[in-house]
Amino acid sequence: EADIYQTPRYLVIGTGKKITLECSQTMGHDKMYWYQQDPGMELHLIHYSYGVNSTEKGDLSSESTVSRIRTEHFPLTLESARPSHTSQYLCASSEYYPLGDRNYEQYFGPGTRLTVT
Amino acid sequence: GQQLNQSPQSMFIQEGEDVSMNCTSSSIFNTWLWYKQDPGEGPVLLIALYKAGELTSNGRLTAQFGITRKDSFLNISASIPSDVGIYFCAGRRTNRDDKIIFGKGTRLHILP
Repeated sequence: EADIYQTPRYLVIGTGKKITLECSQTMGHDKMYWYQQDPGMELHLIHYSYGVNSTEKGDLSSESTVSRIRTEHFPLTLESARPSHTSQYLCASSEYYPLGDRNYEQYFGPGTRLTVT
Repeated sequence: GQQLNQSPQSMFIQEGEDVSMNCTSSSIFNTWLWYKQDPGEGPVLLIALYKAGELTSNGRLTAQFGITRKDSFLNISASIPSDVGIYFCAGRRTNRDDKIIFGKGTRLHILP
């Protein structure tokens, strides 16, 4: 059972507001990820991190930003929310083996469903 | 970009029936993964496949890594109501490529 948590689970907010979606994991995983998923659709990677002070952009362009100050914490921030940001945001984590000599699958949190009005 | 073609897009079956879904790609993958997502939740890993030809079971679920490394299938035997959800295939091209690509999902509905 994966120990990865996201808060809030649901958020309805007005246009222009700044929001931070929280993600924490207690497994000591180095790698963490943020995905964006529209209802019933596939997942798109928007950010990932190899560890503390590491952040990378994913395959889908996003106006959100992330930070990684602690291993267990990977918050996502939207400076000015817009209706186009309405979506589900999923956080995931995995172990990291730079030599590629082991398999390391991603474990997902329950997601935050964001609605911007 | 790379795409995974997952089919069928949705299925309506009777409880007790067996289910089969598959995932194909034009590119070779080194790892195939099958996830299930319940409404309002994150995906949960069901089965991971790492070798061409590998056949792996997890309870009533069986998945295979295609010999060509360009496809994978998932079978569910004797479906029950809690099998309802969206099943996603996902793939990783190389061991060093820790990013994974997701298919669009197969939505499983079970008729009463």
